[in-house]
Amino acid sequence: AQSVTQPDIHITVSEGASLELRCNYSYGATPYLFWYVQSPGQGLQLLLKYFSGDTLVQGIKGFEAEFKRSQSSFNLRKPSVHWSDAAEYFCAVGAGSARQLTFGSGTQLTVLP
Amino acid sequence: EADIYQTPRYLVIGTGKKITLECSQTMGHDKMYWYQQDPGMELHLIHYSYGVNSTEKGDLSSESTVSRIRTEHFPLTLESARPSHTSQYLCASSVNRVDNYGYTFGSGTRLTVV
Repeated sequence: AQSVTQPDIHITVSEGASLELRCNYSYGATPYLFWYVQSPGQGLQLLLKYFSGDTLVQGIKGFEAEFKRSQSSFNLRKPSVHWSDAAEYFCAVGAGSARQLTFGSGTQLTVLP
Repeated sequence: EADIYQTPRYLVIGTGKKITLECSQTMGHDKMYWYQQDPGMELHLIHYSYGVNSTEKGDLSSESTVSRIRTEHFPLTLESARPSHTSQYLCASSVNRVDNYGYTFGSGTRLTVV
C-alpha cells in the first residue's frame, strides 16, 4: 500500500522569503502525486498534481513542485511567500486501480509579517 | 468556486441524537468520499462510493453509514452521536479517469457532540 510522509509538522517563514515543504512517498510504481492547501475551517483546494511527463509541475498561486523518483519525493516550493499563503498543506499519493488518495499528516505554514 | 456542497457547516448536537451530514456535487462525478479530520491531523477515509448503489468502508473504522441513491448525493448518517464523533467531516468527489483525477473537496462539516 502507498504511504505519504510530511516530515515537517510546522514551518514558519517571513513574508517574501522562499518556501519548500517536503513530501516523501512510498509506492512501488510511478505514483500520482498531489498537493492540497487547507485554510482554517475550509475544505482542501488542489494546488497542483503530477501524473507523468515533466517532473517540474506548476500550480496555482505561484506554487510549483518537483517529482524526484530517486528520492521518492515531491517537494512543494514557492519563491516568495505571501501572508495569504498561511494555511495547512497536504501532500497526497494516488495509486493502484482504485486511484484512491492517501494523504500525509500535513504541514502547518505560518507567515510572519 | 466549489461545485461540491456540504451542509451544515457547523453542528452542535447532544449525545444519542441521530444526525445526517449532507454532501452534494454538481459535477457528475462517479466517485465520492467521506474523510474524518481531527484538528491538526491527517485525513482518514471512512467511506467511499464508486457510483450509485455502491458504498464501501474506508481505512478508518467508523460507526457512521452512507448511501448513494443518486449520483450527486452522498449523505453520511450517525444513528446515535457520541462525543468521540466530534470531528470535521470532509466530503470529496472525483472523476473516474485514469489520466486525470484528483479530488474536489467540500468546505466540511464541523461536528461537536456534547
